[in-house]
Amino acid sequence: GNSVTQMEGPVTLSEEAFLTINCTYTATGYPSLFWYVQYPGEGLQLLLKATKADDKGSNKGFEATYRKETTSFHLEKGSVQVSDSAVYFCALSAPGPNDYKLSFGAGTTVTVRA
Amino acid sequence: DGGITQSPKYLFRKEGQNVTLSCEQNLNHDAMYWYRQDPGQGLRLIYYSQIVNDFQKGDIAEGYSVSREKKESFPLTVTSAQKNPTAFYLCASSIEHSFPDEQFFGPGTRLTVL
Repeated sequence: GNSVTQMEGPVTLSEEAFLTINCTYTATGYPSLFWYVQYPGEGLQLLLKATKADDKGSNKGFEATYRKETTSFHLEKGSVQVSDSAVYFCALSAPGPNDYKLSFGAGTTVTVRA
Repeated sequence: DGGITQSPKYLFRKEGQNVTLSCEQNLNHDAMYWYRQDPGQGLRLIYYSQIVNDFQKGDIAEGYSVSREKKESFPLTVTSAQKNPTAFYLCASSIEHSFPDEQFFGPGTRLTVL
């Protein structure tokens, strides 16, 4: 079945540090890949997405590239801010019997300190 | 502004009671979803609905029930049969129930069983 594995947290960084959150996936066919962000006490917001191999999604300084050869979709940001403190979820949607379903990783908690 | 509203934000229930969580959307989306989020875990799908008057079980439907009488509304009832109902509940919607499927989330309801 489809599944997403993302690096465990928590991750604690200083402001202006470089952030990478690893995400790898297992899926049938050619999935679409997503990164969602959850700020404290809130629901999830779509951060970025990529729908085919080699696509790069980007938003708010975050980037992730859909790598089919390594089945990965790692999230990166070059210089984090305190306001980036949140939980980040990698997710996929794949064609087939379960294409109604988003499969989520467990989430990575990121804390940025001033 | 279009979006998804969930109410209440916090809900307390005594053991043995049923409780209903509200979810309303004004995005004109056909598909709606209910997820459960537990600490340190990803999201698990409870129920989903592709169209009015139709809904399907997700991965963890036992102890829950839903209805979809209007396009805008998808209430979730947590019944006394749910053994461990304390969790954060998220409602989501998407334009239609098809791949690829970007989902939009509400702010969530935190349910605590006393």
